[in-house]
Amino acid sequence: SQKIEQNSEALNIQEGKTATLTCNYTNYSPAYLQWYRQDPGRGPVFLLLIRENEKEKRKERLKVTFDTTLKQSLFHITASQPADSATYLCALVYSSASKIIFGSGTRLSIRP
Amino acid sequence: KAGVTQTPRYLIKTRGQQVTLSCSPISGHRSVSWYQQTPGQGLQFLFEYFSETQRNKGNFPGRFSGRQFSNSRSEMNVSTLELGDSALYLCASSRGVAGGRAYEQYFGPGTRLTVT
Repeated sequence: SQKIEQNSEALNIQEGKTATLTCNYTNYSPAYLQWYRQDPGRGPVFLLLIRENEKEKRKERLKVTFDTTLKQSLFHITASQPADSATYLCALVYSSASKIIFGSGTRLSIRP
Repeated sequence: KAGVTQTPRYLIKTRGQQVTLSCSPISGHRSVSWYQQTPGQGLQFLFEYFSETQRNKGNFPGRFSGRQFSNSRSEMNVSTLELGDSALYLCASSRGVAGGRAYEQYFGPGTRLTVT
């Protein structure tokens, strides 16, 4: 069965540095890969989507890459701020099967 | 534009009872998906409805069911509750066509269900 791994359960970095989160998967490459942010007690909030034929996508301080050879997506937050502290989830979308699988998330903490 | 709303926000039930959760999607969104989130299993897909039809279903027992109304509002029902059903139940709406998940999903705040 398809598996997703998000690099670590928790990541702590200094304010101003670039945070890099990893999402690895096995078996089949998805048609799309999405990244969400979730704050405690709230539902996930959509951040970015990248298609399998796209290498990179950017939105303000966020950047996502997608490497179907490595079966990996990287999510970067540049110039990180304490307000970026949250859990970040990656989601693999297999549109042919109408299937979406979420990773377990990485809890990111940005210290001042 | 109003976001996705879910009612109730918190619920406490006893084993063996049944529960119905409600979700109102963003206006104009026709797809509604339901998820269960627990600390151990993470976010798991339950089912998706589009135009009143269930389009996809996750690996959950038949005790979990749902429906969608003509105004796109959706309900989820869990019968014969078990302790393991305690979780945050999230609803997400999308304007995408059935099966086409290129569209981002907008999540509601969730319903926290506790089964005692």
